[in-house]
Amino acid sequence: DAGVTQSPTHLIKTRGQHVTLRCSPISGHKSVSWYQQVLGQGPQFIFQYYEKEERGRGNFPDRFSARQFPNYSSELNVNALLLGDSALYLCASSLPDDEKLFFGSGTQLSVL
Amino acid sequence: AQSVTQPDIHITVSEGASLELRCNYSYGATPYLFWYVQSPGQGLQLLLKYFSGDTLVQGIKGFEAEFKRSQSSFNLRKPSVHWSDAAEYFCAVGGMEYGNKLVFGAGTILRVKS
Repeated sequence: DAGVTQSPTHLIKTRGQHVTLRCSPISGHKSVSWYQQVLGQGPQFIFQYYEKEERGRGNFPDRFSARQFPNYSSELNVNALLLGDSALYLCASSLPDDEKLFFGSGTQLSVL
Repeated sequence: AQSVTQPDIHITVSEGASLELRCNYSYGATPYLFWYVQSPGQGLQLLLKYFSGDTLVQGIKGFEAEFKRSQSSFNLRKPSVHWSDAAEYFCAVGGMEYGNKLVFGAGTILRVKS
């Protein structure tokens, strides 16, 4: 079975641009979460979606938004990119009401 | 608020030696505790988790961890380290009311010398 897949794997943007990151969960998983991992730090929670509804939001500015589609895949959007948005963005999926997360390999975003 | 402290940024052990990675957490109720491992450029793989019950939990790849409520600790151990265990290890805490929002520590980088 395929694991959590994320695209693209790497991305280079300039300040002020917009970016969209994509995630496909494991088949049967209806919950998707997004985490940001800055170099040298642990992942930080951004969003959780379940059944297309936002279930949780971390301490991130409104420039960050996400959505979940009927097939449970998800997009993370970041507007007006800043240098500090450079990070590995991780997507994780899980079964309903299960705190065990399965992570994808991430999208490495570099903002120049 | 939840928080996790991993006091050791780097640890170096010899292949075949035992390993203990420290994790201390702050959480108001009964925590859900996790250890994840991350190889360079990769996502995180779950090693083991504690939700309730037996305080000594077994995980994959020969790892185990012990939950000690009195010390607010959840240390990860392995009796004999293999060179392939070199990676970064993250401790995380969550809770029933937080859903999938896990709070991660800053990580411990494990180096294995032959």
